[in-house]
This record gives sequence, C-alpha cells and structure tokens, in this order.
Amino acid sequence: DVVMTQTPVSLSVAIGQPASISCKSSQSLVGTSGKTYLNWLLQRPGQSPKRLIYLVSKLDSGIPDRFSGSGSETDFTLKISRVEADDLGVYYCLQGTHFPWTFGGGTKLELK
Amino acid sequence: EIQLQESGPGLVKPSQSLSLTCSVTGYTITSGYDWSWIRKFPGNKMEWMGYISYSGSTNYNPSLKSRISITRDTSKNQFFLQLNSVTTEDTATYYCARWGFGYWGQGVMVTVSS
Repeated sequence: DVVMTQTPVSLSVAIGQPASISCKSSQSLVGTSGKTYLNWLLQRPGQSPKRLIYLVSKLDSGIPDRFSGSGSETDFTLKISRVEADDLGVYYCLQGTHFPWTFGGGTKLELK
Repeated sequence: EIQLQESGPGLVKPSQSLSLTCSVTGYTITSGYDWSWIRKFPGNKMEWMGYISYSGSTNYNPSLKSRISITRDTSKNQFFLQLNSVTTEDTATYYCARWGFGYWGQGVMVTVSS
C-alpha cells in the first residue's frame, strides 16, 4: 500500500497567519494517465469530510483562494495564506492513484 | 444537487455482520463513477474500504477482502456495504462517497459491542 505521511500532526495558528501542511507518499502518485490523483480534504468538527483540492492543485468550487495545493511525484503541500476561524478541523491528504486508495494520518488545525 | 445518505444500525454485536445502505439522490449510480465506502476510526485514521463501479464491478481493500461485500440496487439508486465477522476494531464512522471524493454522505457511527 502507498503510505501517506502527513506532517505536522497538529498545528496551532493565529487568525490571519499562514499555515502549511506536508504530505509525502511512499511512491510516485503519477498515474498511467499522467495525472496525479492527490486530494486535500477538510473535516470540520461534526461534519463529513469536504474536498478542498483535487489533482494536486485544482481548487474545488466555492473554496476560497486562500487555499492552495502544490507538489509532484511524492511530495505535496497544502497552504493556507491567511487562516480564518472557519478553517479549523482535521485536514487529510488522500491518494487515488494506486489501489488501495490511502489517506494521510490527518493534521488537526487549531486556532491559537 | 448530488446527495448521499448512509443508514443502518448503530450497534452490532461481535462476530455478526454489519450492513449499511447508501442512498443517492441527484445522480444515477449507473451513469458513471465509482461509489465507495470509507470509514474513520476513533482518532483520525481513515480507511478506504472498497467501491462498486457504475457498471457493477467491485474493488476491495485487500485488508478487508475476505470480509467485505459491496452490492447495489439500481432500482432504488442505492448501494450497500456488508462487513462480516466484525470485531470491536470495526467500530468507526462509516461514509459513502463518490469517486473523486467531492461528494460524501454525512456518515453513520457504528459501534461493535456485546
């Protein structure tokens, strides 16, 4: 299985400050189609996961451009340019290139 | 608007089978995409369990392969999860989701306990 190593495990950030989460995969996530199926999800307290970014860097509809995704092959990053109160929750990376699809361990974003 | 909704018992006894339903509205499951079951364990660990495709083929996580079955009822636009021989380690919140992971159900918490 592809192991997704997500860091940090927790993050305490003040409102208006930036945040960054890393996700490293144990093998390249470039698929046979040439696409890289790396997603970022946010699970707010009491809610189901919500996709923020797909294909490494494509922002989902309705997601503010404070969020951005980057990376390639095995090394990926989610950045929030200015954290807002609504951003708290647990962030996950999820790869959909190799079976079985696998998740990172999660990063809990708390407000400082 | 596409919506997914899980339903099923919240308590299952050890060694029994866990059965859940995902009802889909706003999209016909035979039109496209793979339809997955995913679970979140106490803590933050998430596990993709398997899917049934729009054509009816299935793909399961090898960690569950001997215990899992995903089926569907196209007339009701529903798909189902059956997990056999459950133990307390199967206690989790279970979600259904569409491939791409842009659409998820609200989740159903299942506790395995005698």
